[in-house]
Amino acid sequence: NAGVMQNPRHLVRRRGQEARLRCSPMKGHSHVYWYRQLPEEGLKFMVYLQKENIIDESGMPKERFSAEFPKEGPSILRIQQVVRGDSAAYFCASSPGPGIYNYGYTFGSGTRLTVV
Amino acid sequence: DQQVKQNSPSLSVQEGRISILNCDYTNSMFDYFLWYKKYPAEGPTFLISISSIKDKNEDGRFTVFLNKSAKHLSLHIVPSQPGDSAVYFCAASRGSQGNLIFGKGTKLSVKP
Repeated sequence: NAGVMQNPRHLVRRRGQEARLRCSPMKGHSHVYWYRQLPEEGLKFMVYLQKENIIDESGMPKERFSAEFPKEGPSILRIQQVVRGDSAAYFCASSPGPGIYNYGYTFGSGTRLTVV
Repeated sequence: DQQVKQNSPSLSVQEGRISILNCDYTNSMFDYFLWYKKYPAEGPTFLISISSIKDKNEDGRFTVFLNKSAKHLSLHIVPSQPGDSAVYFCAASRGSQGNLIFGKGTKLSVKP
């Protein structure tokens, strides 16, 4: 049973380009969470999605960031017009149901985005 | 405003001794707490959790203690092993919400 798969593992983008980060949840998991870890910081919640729905995007920056989890295929975190401050590790987690207490979730290995 | 605080960025312990990692929180609505372990270039791995209705949870070498009145929890690892060397994150959640609030982490080094 494969774990949460994130790709690419490393992504380098020039300022102003777009970054697309992909997350394939564990088999049977329909809930996906994205977190960002800035250098020397803890993980910060960005967005929570179910298939075809955004449940909670309270942690998403208002501009340039978007996320989707289509009926088929991986969840995508998209960052438009990247800036140096977007350089971070982006982690995805998945769970079979809502609520960390009842279901827990599993993290992927992350995508390290570097903006040059 | 940090709702979950890990005030010690690092901790060094001798192999075989006890490691105690501390975590404080400010939001009294938090009712579920977790500890994650993270190695470099990997995602966090779940270690142990505790519900606010308990004050202790034990799993092998790992024990988590919760003091609700002090809004404080701690993770005890005994005996510590070199393989325990990693960054440990404390996290909290509220109700049925799925998102976690993380502390900044404590880097544990266990020396042989």
